[in-house]
Parts: sequence; structure tokens; C-alpha cells
Amino acid sequence: SQQGEEDPQALSIQEGENATMNCSYKTSINNLQWYRQNSGRGLVHLILIRSNEREKHSGRLRVTLDTSKKSSSLLITASRAADTASYFCATDDNAGNMLTFGGGTRLMVKP
Amino acid sequence: DTAVSQTPKYLVTQMGNDKSIKCEQNLGHDTMYWYKQDSKKFLKIMFSYNNKELIINETVPNRFSPKSPDKAHLNLHINSLELGDSAVYFCASSHTFGLAGDQETQYFGPGTRLLVL
Repeated sequence: SQQGEEDPQALSIQEGENATMNCSYKTSINNLQWYRQNSGRGLVHLILIRSNEREKHSGRLRVTLDTSKKSSSLLITASRAADTASYFCATDDNAGNMLTFGGGTRLMVKP
Repeated sequence: DTAVSQTPKYLVTQMGNDKSIKCEQNLGHDTMYWYKQDSKKFLKIMFSYNNKELIINETVPNRFSPKSPDKAHLNLHINSLELGDSAVYFCASSHTFGLAGDQETQYFGPGTRLLVL
């Protein structure tokens, strides 16, 4: 089963609204990363949060990490149509060997 | 000046054929990866190479054979293609591999869309 699982699987909002996506994982991690994938493209790294961090910001992105609940959330504020994409969380295993990706949240931002 | 490039972008072939996908990164990274993304968008790691050495092989059929001639290239050769191999294959690279005890940011190529008929 997937180490990281996103919720919801799909999200549709109006431009200007905030979008929140959640990720849950099963085992201990060193870090958790969020990636974006536009249709027909490769994944693009958005933000990395380490296990000893609780919150991180990057532009309109805000990521939280709760290691006690083994969950993370990605908040996109003031969404734009260009934010329409799939968003994936990825966790590394404790050995730092690899990333395991969740199934993604498909975000649609309507103009 | 593309960071991670893959060729071809599209590959349509008959069942039973052998095909190769090439990947090159110009980021000076030590580690490269191959991922398979299925029709439901699940992204699963297949292989990881660090400095031309195989590190991860995630229960991939031995019809898939990665080859790393140097640390900037990681090619994927697939023998006897099957219908279930149809997917998008992504190459990725990263700067470090567990040196700091964690997995660093990965940079992805644009993907190769493989369709087996």
C-alpha cells in the first residue's frame, strides 16, 4: 500500500479560494515533500519539510507536519487557474533510501 | 538547458518487442531513478542508481534492465514488452543520497508515454 495517501482525491474550487490537501503516512520519516504535476508533465518539487519542523511557508504555499498523527497538509492560498494540477506528497523511508509517493490530489481551480 | 531529459517522449510498440528509454541529467547529481506512473496516477519507484551503482530494485520484473554508463545517464531497457507495461515512465535525479540521513529533492524528467499494443 502507499506510504503516503492524499485526501481528497479530487478538489474543485473557484479562483481566489484556498485549497487544502492532506497527506497521511504510515512509518517514521526523515522528511516529507510535496510535488506538483501538471497534465502531461513531470513532477516539480514544491516544498520539503523535515521531521523536526512543524510548519513551512513558500510564497502562497503553507505546509504543516504533525509527526504524532503522521499527517501533513498543503494549503494553497488565493488559488489561481494556473494552480490546476495534481499534487503529491512523498515521504522518505527512515534509511533515506527512497521516496514513496501517494496517489495525489487532483486540484481544479475554476476561473 | 533542460535539467533532466528523456527520450523518446512517446513510444508506441507491439507486444513482445524490446525497447529502450534514455535519460540524461545535467545537474551534476549523483543519484538517478526510474519511476512508473500508471493510469490511476500512482507513481512507483522502480530503480535507483547512485554513482552508476544499483541501489534500489523494487520488485521489478527482470525484463526491465537499467543501465548507467556514467552518473549523468540512466537508461531503461525493456524486453518482451507486455500490455501491462503501458504507463508513463519518469526519470529523476537528486543531489545526495542518504548522506544527511534523508532523501533530498528529486528533479523529474518530462516522462515517456509507453503504449504497448
